[in-house]
Amino acid sequence: GESVGLHLPTLSVQEGDNSIINCAYSNSASDYFIWYKQESGKGPQFIIDIRSNMDKRQGQRVTVLLNKTVKHLSLQIAATQPGDSAVYFCAETPQRGSNYKLTFGKGTLLTVNP
Amino acid sequence: EAQVTQNPRYLITVTGKKLTVTCSQNMNHEYMSWYRQDPGLGLRQIYYSMNVEVTDKGDVPEGYKVSRKEKRNFPLILESPSPNQTSLYFCASRPQRTSTDTQYFGPGTRLTVL
Repeated sequence: GESVGLHLPTLSVQEGDNSIINCAYSNSASDYFIWYKQESGKGPQFIIDIRSNMDKRQGQRVTVLLNKTVKHLSLQIAATQPGDSAVYFCAETPQRGSNYKLTFGKGTLLTVNP
Repeated sequence: EAQVTQNPRYLITVTGKKLTVTCSQNMNHEYMSWYRQDPGLGLRQIYYSMNVEVTDKGDVPEGYKVSRKEKRNFPLILESPSPNQTSLYFCASRPQRTSTDTQYFGPGTRLTVL
């Protein structure tokens, strides 16, 4: 398989701009997807989730888009703020009834410049 | 306050010295899980528990043990730690029967094995 480097993908944006963070997943059986935010020194914090029977879900300043055809997930953050600077992980889990194991992506480091 | 707590938050130990990392949640969640986080590899599941006295292996269980004698606690045990278990560890919990599949994470335990 493809080797994974030690450095996270990074996204640098200006305060007030919109951010788009992308994630590819591999398991066609996954039916629930979550975006987590992890600030330095803290555990992953839930942002927004989406089920496989939906293709878009909106929260406060965040939108998640799901494209099952190409197994792609994205997180859009509107009017990005310095407090949004963190590592963002997508996670997937298979259908209800199984181990609720989350399979995480490698993460994207978002840096918001004031 | 609903939360997942872990202790200790930081630990430096030597190879072969048994240690336990405690995890406790006050949300009456049935499901609990341990993950380790390593650079370039993201978060990977070590063990999980669907309920009291029910535990099972995740993706990377070698070198670890767990127990679930009561619902609120899910300790992670390293009988003979080795340097390759140096990592950042997270405990997570979620309710079993709910419309949301969100897992709630503890603050993390940074373990260094010399």
